[in-house]
Amino acid sequence: EPEVTQTPSHQVTQMGQEVILRCVPISNHLYFYWYRQILGQKVEFLVSFYNNEISEKSEIFDDQFSVERPDGSNFTLKIRSTKLEDSAMYFCASSKDSVVPGELFFGEGSRLTVL
Amino acid sequence: AQSVTQLDSQVPVFEEAPVELRCNYSLSVSVYLFWYVQYPNQGLQLLLKYLSGSTLVESINGFEAEFNKSQTSFHLRKPSVHISDTAEYFCAVSEGGSYIPTFGRGTSLIVHP
Repeated sequence: EPEVTQTPSHQVTQMGQEVILRCVPISNHLYFYWYRQILGQKVEFLVSFYNNEISEKSEIFDDQFSVERPDGSNFTLKIRSTKLEDSAMYFCASSKDSVVPGELFFGEGSRLTVL
Repeated sequence: AQSVTQLDSQVPVFEEAPVELRCNYSLSVSVYLFWYVQYPNQGLQLLLKYLSGSTLVESINGFEAEFNKSQTSFHLRKPSVHISDTAEYFCAVSEGGSYIPTFGRGTSLIVHP
């Protein structure tokens, strides 16, 4: 069964460093998303991506964040200068279309720890 | 903006006991409601969804949820849980016009033998 894969599963970095989290969405999906969950808190929407551009983003997704689809398969989230409060589990998701609302397929998550 | 409240962060139950995981959302004209489940070391998976029609929706593994518009709730229930139901359960809501779901904080269901 097709699945969304994310790498790395866990990354530890120093404050101020750049981090890239990678995702391979399901191959025939057209919509891509990043969510994050700070420990003990809600799963928060960061950004959605369609047709090679950002379609929606939340207030959390400020200038230190960026997303990219560098080739036909990868979808990346870059955090330019990490802060302690960026420590969280980051989930990538994809969906086939927008006809069926909310049916997203998620990866296992990438845990980011900022020291 | 839509908000989702899952009041219980953790629900411990014994095997074969019934369980209810609560979810409330903020008022909106039209909403789509979802429950996702995350088993250990896996991604979130859609468990069931309410889009329209019958207010009672069921999953293939015995869970059900009922959309209650007057109480703005979408509680998840199962009459008899199994050890394998141990997982994190997330309630999510999306409003008509935006298909991006807003999630709650999750409820950890722990089934004891």
